[in-house]
Amino acid sequence: EPEVTQTPSHQVTQMGQEVILRCVPISNHLYFYWYRQILGQKVEFLVSFYNNEISEKSEIFDDQFSVERPDGSNFTLKIRSTKLEDSAMYFCASSEVAGLAYEQYFGPGTRLTVT
Amino acid sequence: GNSVTQMEGPVTLSEEAFLTINCTYTATGYPSLFWYVQYPGEGLQLLLKATKADDKGSNKGFEATYRKETTSFHLEKGSVQVSDSAVYFCALTRSGSARQLTFGSGTQLTVLP
Repeated sequence: EPEVTQTPSHQVTQMGQEVILRCVPISNHLYFYWYRQILGQKVEFLVSFYNNEISEKSEIFDDQFSVERPDGSNFTLKIRSTKLEDSAMYFCASSEVAGLAYEQYFGPGTRLTVT
Repeated sequence: GNSVTQMEGPVTLSEEAFLTINCTYTATGYPSLFWYVQYPGEGLQLLLKATKADDKGSNKGFEATYRKETTSFHLEKGSVQVSDSAVYFCALTRSGSARQLTFGSGTQLTVLP
């Protein structure tokens, strides 16, 4: 069964460093998403991406964040200068279409620890 | 704004017990409602969904009914198994913003043999 994959599973970085989280969405999906979950808190939407551009983003997704689909398979989230409060589990998701009833398929997550 | 409130966990049950996890929501328009499940070490998986009032979503013995009058979408299962141990998330997408899921805080369920 097709699945969303994410690498690495755990990333440790120092405050102020740039980090890139990688995702490979399901191959025929057209919409891509990033969510994050700070330990003990809710899963929060960051951004959605379609047709090589951002379609929606939350207040969390400020200028420190960027997303890219550098080739036909990868979808990346970059944090330019990490802060301690960026420590969280980051989930990538994809969907075939974007509609109220369409399922978003999630990857297993990347745990980011900023020290 | 939109929000989802879930029953606080963790919940511990014996095998074959009845499960209810409460979920209520606040949203403008007519949201779609979802239950996602996360097994240890895995991503979130869609368990069931309902897209309009009075719809019942069901899967793997789990059920939830979209109640507009009480703005609720409670998850139930008549007889839980050890393999149901996981974290359960209630979520919604709202009309006009179908690209983002709003999640509840998640409920950890442990089923003991």
